Amino acid sequence: DTGVSQDPRHKITKRGQNVTFRCDPISEHNRLYWYRQTLGQGPEFLTYFQNEAQLEKSRLLSDRFSAERPKGSFSTLEIQRTEQGDSAMYLCASSLSGTRAEQFFGPGTRLTVL
Amino acid sequence: GNSVTQMEGPVTLSEEAFLTINCTYTATGYPSLFWYVQYPGEGLQLLLKATKADDKGSNKGFEATYRKETTSFHLEKGSVQVSDSAVYFCALLTGGGNKLTFGTGTQLKVEL
Repeated sequence: DTGVSQDPRHKITKRGQNVTFRCDPISEHNRLYWYRQTLGQGPEFLTYFQNEAQLEKSRLLSDRFSAERPKGSFSTLEIQRTEQGDSAMYLCASSLSGTRAEQFFGPGTRLTVL
Repeated sequence: GNSVTQMEGPVTLSEEAFLTINCTYTATGYPSLFWYVQYPGEGLQLLLKATKADDKGSNKGFEATYRKETTSFHLEKGSVQVSDSAVYFCALLTGGGNKLTFGTGTQLKVEL
């Protein structure tokens, strides 16, 4: 396994369009996390899954955002009716379960909303 | 709530210079502490970690000691190289380990 992968790496869209990103975690990891990183800032937590269950969502995750992990493997993050403020790097990470397990990050998807 | 404060960058050093990047934190309970590095065009990579007070994390010549009394986790390297140029993030993890809290990052530029 080569690590966490994300697709696409870059996405440019017009305001008001919907976008969907995919994350494939390390195969034996049952936890999956989404973070958002804006320019000049550190990543901020959005949500996380334990297997297929979404266990926590940040208040940063507005109603326009939805994340799924239907079979406990890959995950998708959808943003509806994109706004310019959604422009950011969206990072996915995965880990084993257990207290304070190390999180391994993917390369991220850079979203630009015009 | 939890927070991490890092020194602002960019930090510009000559090759072989000594590096310190300051990091202090506020957290409930007893966090685990991390330094992540982000090279240009790449994802975050774990550089080192410490899980309890007085632990020292080390990797690739970098070191950081978990100081509970000063709530600090400063990153140091004795002799930096051009290849160390990257953005460095201090982060903490508490409780069930569900989410990392990051600092804003410090950009390091190492010149010949």
